[in-house]
Amino acid sequence: EDKVVQSPLSLVVHEGDTVTLNCSYEVTNFRSLLWYKQEKKAPTFLFMLTSSGIEKKSGRLSSILDKKELFSILNITATQTGDSAVYLCAVGDSGNTPLVFGKGTRLSVIA
Amino acid sequence: DVKVTQSSRYLVKRTGEKVFLECVQDMDHENMFWYRQDPGLGLRLIYFSYDVKMKEKGDIPEGYSVSREKKERFSLILESASTNQTSMYLCAGGERDGLNQPQHFGDGTRLSIL
Repeated sequence: EDKVVQSPLSLVVHEGDTVTLNCSYEVTNFRSLLWYKQEKKAPTFLFMLTSSGIEKKSGRLSSILDKKELFSILNITATQTGDSAVYLCAVGDSGNTPLVFGKGTRLSVIA
Repeated sequence: DVKVTQSSRYLVKRTGEKVFLECVQDMDHENMFWYRQDPGLGLRLIYFSYDVKMKEKGDIPEGYSVSREKKERFSLILESASTNQTSMYLCAGGERDGLNQPQHFGDGTRLSIL
């Protein structure tokens, strides 16, 4: 059975800190790993990674995939209170099955 | 980007009622999904559909059914609502063909069954 595990489950940091969120996975035929941010409503798509070692970046957020060690990290630098959210990781395989989601990491950024 | 619209943000129903949750996507994509999200349990897939009139069970289909009569609309049906179906329900549309592609979510329906 495919599995996606995120750590930590929750995290509290101060504004300006840098945080690293982790996502490890076990899938039969890996194809893609996706990161989402969920504030009060719907999860919004951040990144999709398919190749090992290639960093995806958007402003203060960046993510990288290690297909050999089966994990990805999401980095947020110079955190702001607006970064407070649940961050979800999802993995897709090459078969005809839907994405498998982890339970998420709840990030709280305090002023 | 795919835009996904769920018909209700909040809904309160009674035990035993038949409940319909509606979802519409504005792009011509095949894949649509229904999830429920509960604290500590994350997102759990109820049903998905990869084409009109096609449906597949997800991880927790019991007590639910779905309808996909048109490509843009995917409905979730609670045949006889029970209190353990109180939850946040999220609909998603697939960005491109292929189930491993990004999904775009509606704002969710917070359903309370009394």
